[in-house]
Amino acid sequence: QLQLQESGPGLVKPSETLSLTCTVSGGSISSSSFYWGWIRQPPGKGLEWIGSIYYIGSTYYNPSLKGRVTISLDTSKNHFSLEVNSVTAADTAVYYCARHPTYSTSSVDPWGQGTLVTVSS
Amino acid sequence: QSALTQPASVSGSPGQSITISCIGASTDVGSYKLVSWYQQHPGKAPKLMIYEDTKRPSGVSNRFSGSKSGNTASLTISGLQAEDEADYYCCSYAGTSTFVVFGGGTKLTVL
Repeated sequence: QLQLQESGPGLVKPSETLSLTCTVSGGSISSSSFYWGWIRQPPGKGLEWIGSIYYIGSTYYNPSLKGRVTISLDTSKNHFSLEVNSVTAADTAVYYCARHPTYSTSSVDPWGQGTLVTVSS
Repeated sequence: QSALTQPASVSGSPGQSITISCIGASTDVGSYKLVSWYQQHPGKAPKLMIYEDTKRPSGVSNRFSGSKSGNTASLTISGLQAEDEADYYCCSYAGTSTFVVFGGGTKLTVL
């Protein structure tokens, strides 16, 4: 059964870079059938898609975040990563990593458990 | 402001049916058979309940159903149960530029 697990610092200072990694177990991120994505949820608010990456390295980003976000993958470690630069308090959120099929792009499943990242000095 | 519009809250009594709407546009909901719905309980990750407008993943109760007309998708929950109390989000594919968009979420209260 495919499982995803987010990891990274829970506290980031304003103007610095937020970096998270999603480790995938029970399946390969080199599959041609899936995108690997990041979604976030500010406390008490709704879900926001951040971006996704395909196994060949193609990336797709939320236009509202483009320019601050980079998603990359490491097939040798079977994980993919998120960087958000120049963070502010508005980037405080639970960050989820997830998988979604190329043939059914909005069908996000499974999700990681999520990790809370707080932006504060 | 979310790309897809959902009511902030809905409520119903046990055994009743409720419907949650998700209003999009001709560039997302109206263009693709790719609307999905997620259930999220407090402190938990979202769970896929409906995909490709009307399909249910294995293990999801048949009390949950999806439909769509034009730019509006809907989630119906029949025979409401206390465990259905949660937040529900719709999601749609929106083309290669925007890719994926979510609704703002709807809080379902079972009275």
